[in-house]
Amino acid sequence: GDSVTQMEGPVTLSEEAFLTINCTYTATGYPSLFWYVQYPGEGLQLLLKATKADDKGSNKGFEATYRKETTSFHLEKGSVQVSDSAVYFCALSDAQGAQKLVFGQGTRLTINP
Amino acid sequence: GAGVSQSPSNKVTEKGKDVELRCDPISGHTALYWYRQSLGQGLEFLIYFQGNSAPDKSGLPSDRFSAERTGGSVSTLTIQRTQQEDSAVYLCASTQKHTQYFGPGTRLTVL
Repeated sequence: GDSVTQMEGPVTLSEEAFLTINCTYTATGYPSLFWYVQYPGEGLQLLLKATKADDKGSNKGFEATYRKETTSFHLEKGSVQVSDSAVYFCALSDAQGAQKLVFGQGTRLTINP
Repeated sequence: GAGVSQSPSNKVTEKGKDVELRCDPISGHTALYWYRQSLGQGLEFLIYFQGNSAPDKSGLPSDRFSAERTGGSVSTLTIQRTQQEDSAVYLCASTQKHTQYFGPGTRLTVL
């Protein structure tokens, strides 16, 4: 079945550092890809998405590019802030059928001032 | 607000009791999903509704779990004879343009 593998955490960085969280997937067909974020004490929020190969999703300074050749959707940010501390989930959904989300295990990110 | 709402936000119950969890999706969203977030298993799909029917129930972990949706809106997830391994955060999401919007979740603790 479909699956998502994320870089294991936790990840701790200093403010203004460059961030990469790796995400690779296995899927039949052509899934849509997502990054969701869960801030402390809050629910899951969509951060960005890409629906086809070579699409780049971006939001709040975060970016991820749908790479079909490497089956990857790595999350990047050029300069992180303390407020980016959260758990980040990579996910895919099938383009057909139920379009249910399959999540990676999550990566806890802590940014120190 | 216009988001997905869930109730209760927290539920503590004793092993063997039944519980009902409620989800109010965003108005007009026809698709609704239930997921479970637990320490050991991460985020798992439970069931999907399109309107009032559930074409995909493949994630329900046992026959103690059931869900229904009425009027194409509110959904209820019922867990019968709760077990300690049912302790988790139960999340509901509704969909617009292939993007799922999540509620805040119900944290279920089974003692």
